[in-house]
Amino acid sequence: GAVVSQHPSRVICKSGTSVKIECRSLDFQATTMFWYRQFPKKSLMLMATSNEGSKATYEQGVEKDKFLINHASLTLSTLTVTSAHPEDSSFYICSARGRTGRMEYEQYFGPGTRLTVT
Amino acid sequence: AQSVAQPEDQVNVAEGNPLTVKCTYSVSGNPYLFWYVQYPNRGLQFLLKYITGDNLVKGSYGFEAEFNKSQTSFHLKKPSALVSDSALYFCAVRANDYKLSFGAGTTVTVRA
Repeated sequence: GAVVSQHPSRVICKSGTSVKIECRSLDFQATTMFWYRQFPKKSLMLMATSNEGSKATYEQGVEKDKFLINHASLTLSTLTVTSAHPEDSSFYICSARGRTGRMEYEQYFGPGTRLTVT
Repeated sequence: AQSVAQPEDQVNVAEGNPLTVKCTYSVSGNPYLFWYVQYPNRGLQFLLKYITGDNLVKGSYGFEAEFNKSQTSFHLKKPSALVSDSALYFCAVRANDYKLSFGAGTTVTVRA
């Protein structure tokens, strides 16, 4: 089956620093990747959609200058939280959809990254 | 706009009993419906999806879901729940641009 990895799984950083989270599709080409944010015991909130080789599309209310998304290849997207503050502490989850050959893959989710900003 | 609703925050069942997690949907056009499960501090795992075809969809780990167009529902079911089924369950609907809209989630607790 399709596997999506995220790195790191957990990160603690100081307020004001930037943090990069990687999302990789391991066995299929991810034409589209999605980034979500999840608060404790809450649903997932879509932050942005990224297509390989083009700029990410951000959902309303999400600061594009704060949450930088890059989708440089068909297997890698990165989310950089710039000048992180404690209110950015959250669980960030990516998902990927795409294809390998004639096989289409619906959204498969990474294991998530727990970000804590102190 | 497409949306799903999960009317129950929590569902508690005894091990071995049937488990049902409810979901209703609101879409324009054909619905593309999904169920995912999330264990603590983990990402979402795909359980099953309905795109077209049979109204009863079978998925992973013994789960199934019944698509009911007249009631606009897509309830998740398992005939005999296990303690290991205790988790957070999300219903979702997919739009034409492949974006997923999630329900609020239902916490399932299966007691031994």
